[in-house]
Order: sequence, then structure tokens, then C-alpha cells
Amino acid sequence: SQKIEQNSEALNIQEGKTATLTCNYTNYSPAYLQWYRQDPGRGPVFLLLIRENEKEKRKERLKVTFDTTLKQSLFHITASQPADSATYLCALGGSQGNLIFGKGTKLSVKP
Amino acid sequence: EPEVTQTPSHQVTQMGQEVILRCVPISNHLYFYWYRQILGQKVEFLVSFYNNEISEKSEIFDDQFSVERPDGSNFTLKIRSTKLEDSAMYFCASRGLAGSTDTQYFGPGTRLTVL
Repeated sequence: SQKIEQNSEALNIQEGKTATLTCNYTNYSPAYLQWYRQDPGRGPVFLLLIRENEKEKRKERLKVTFDTTLKQSLFHITASQPADSATYLCALGGSQGNLIFGKGTKLSVKP
Repeated sequence: EPEVTQTPSHQVTQMGQEVILRCVPISNHLYFYWYRQILGQKVEFLVSFYNNEISEKSEIFDDQFSVERPDGSNFTLKIRSTKLEDSAMYFCASRGLAGSTDTQYFGPGTRLTVL
């Protein structure tokens, strides 16, 4: 069955550093992959979408890469700030457009 | 910026009771979804809805669940006879036509507590 793994449950970094989060998947070839941010008790907020024919996507301080050979996506936040502290979710597109989510990585950025 | 809204934000109910969770998707969107998230666990797909019918459902979405789009704006999830294990956050999501984007936009969620 399809499986998504986000390698760390939690990641602690210092303000100003680059946070790198990893998403690996198996038994699937998604047409696209998305990253969401989720704050406690709130709904997922869309950040970036990257398609299978794209290697990299950027938006402000965010960068996503997608390696369909390794079946891996990396999500980077440069110049991290305490306000970036949240849980970040990786999600693959299902056959009917539904999303299959990973468990998420909880990022804490310390001042 | 348009957004998905959900009501109520928190619903408390007794086991065995029926609940209806309501969502107003983004107005020009055509695909609608319900997801749930049990506390501390991952977001799980329940059902997708397009052209006034269910297009896909997960194993979680059994006969106790139903969805409806009663008018041009609302999208509801009904749980006929709630169980303790139905306690979770329920998220509605919507997206527009596939092509330029497959992004799903999520609502803030309804926290369902079954006692």
C-alpha cells in the first residue's frame, strides 16, 4: 500500500538557520506533491505544490524539491523565524484528487 | 481572499446521536472533500464529491457516514450514530478545476467530541 514517511517527528533549530524537512514515499507515483503548514487546532494551510516534471519550486523563503527517482521531497525554510514554528505536512495527490498525508514534522525555531 | 468555512467550530454529542457538520466551500470550486484527524495522528481522507455524487471514499467512510450538497453553497457530512472513536477534527476542503492547480484549500475544522 502507499506509504508516506516524514523522517522526523520533531525538528528544533536556531532562528536564522535553514530548516530542511524530508518526505519519502513508497508504492506510489504521484503526479504532484504538496506541502502544508498546520498550527495546533487549525486546518492545514497550503504552502507549495510541485509536479512530477518539476525539480524545484520556490516561494519567498520556502523551497521544495521533488526527486521521483529517489521518491523523495525536501522542504526548506531559509532564514527561519520563531513564527515558522508549526507542523509541516507532506501530501501526495491520490487518483481522485484526494490527498494522502504524512504524519508531519513539528518544527520549533528558537530565538 | 476566498476561504472555506466550517460550522460549528466545536460539537459535543452523546454516543449514538446523529451529527451534521457543515461546510461552505470556496464559491467557484467544483471538488469537495472531507478529512478527519484524530488527536495526535495524521490527516486522513474520508470522501470526495464531484458533480453531486461521491467520487471516492475511504474505508473509514462506512454506512454511518453520508455527504450532501443540499444547495449551491453548503456541503455537509452526517454521522448517523456517533461512536466514541468518531471523536476527531473534521476538515472540509475544496478545489477548482484540475489543470492549472490541484491545490486543495482546507477549512478551519470542526472538533467533534463524542461522550
